[in-house]
Amino acid sequence: GAGVSQSPSNKVTEKGKDVELRCDPISGHTALYWYRQSLGQGLEFLIYFQGNSAPDKSGLPSDRFSAERTGGSVSTLTIQRTQQEDSAVYLCASSPGTGLTNYGYTFGSGTRLTVV
Amino acid sequence: AQSVAQPEDQVNVAEGNPLTVKCTYSVSGNPYLFWYVQYPNRGLQFLLKYITGDNLVKGSYGFEAEFNKSQTSFHLKKPSALVSDSALYFCAGKAQTDKLIFGTGTRLQVFP
Repeated sequence: GAGVSQSPSNKVTEKGKDVELRCDPISGHTALYWYRQSLGQGLEFLIYFQGNSAPDKSGLPSDRFSAERTGGSVSTLTIQRTQQEDSAVYLCASSPGTGLTNYGYTFGSGTRLTVV
Repeated sequence: AQSVAQPEDQVNVAEGNPLTVKCTYSVSGNPYLFWYVQYPNRGLQFLLKYITGDNLVKGSYGFEAEFNKSQTSFHLKKPSALVSDSALYFCAGKAQTDKLIFGTGTRLQVFP
């Protein structure tokens, strides 16, 4: 596609439920990032996929968070047993890999997660 | 560990005046540095990047940034601010083969 697509755009879930957030990167982009932005806060790095290398999971805040990337394309971020502090906008970004586009990294519009 | 710092939570400037949004970095090797802007209820938009070459980088909407290796800084500047520039600005950096790390963001408020 022309850009990075994230779904759903909004998700309201009950505390304790599991959620899955999806990211479709730009076709051919080998690098994919997940970030979290809490209300009025900066971007917190979560996880980074680069080609076939093992992902950098150093930013995942707890073992309730996991992510996978199937076929080197679509990525799913899963949050198990959601807590209210998980409420945030989850952003996905992609790039061609070790090279960069003229526009750096391309971000999706994000998924706004609200845990009630 | 690499890091990016934006020391100011908010910057206020009058329309027509020059603006500066500060950023310092700690990145091993030759850094890749970026500025992004986030307007209310909008996604992150790329403004400019420094990879190599000229220390003064020009980007979108009349913004520019100066890479200063000795001061490990990459401040964002614009000669004449517009009210429409009011937004949240993020500095980001990475080593060539490492992940992209963002600063905490600076809210720019331009007053008419």
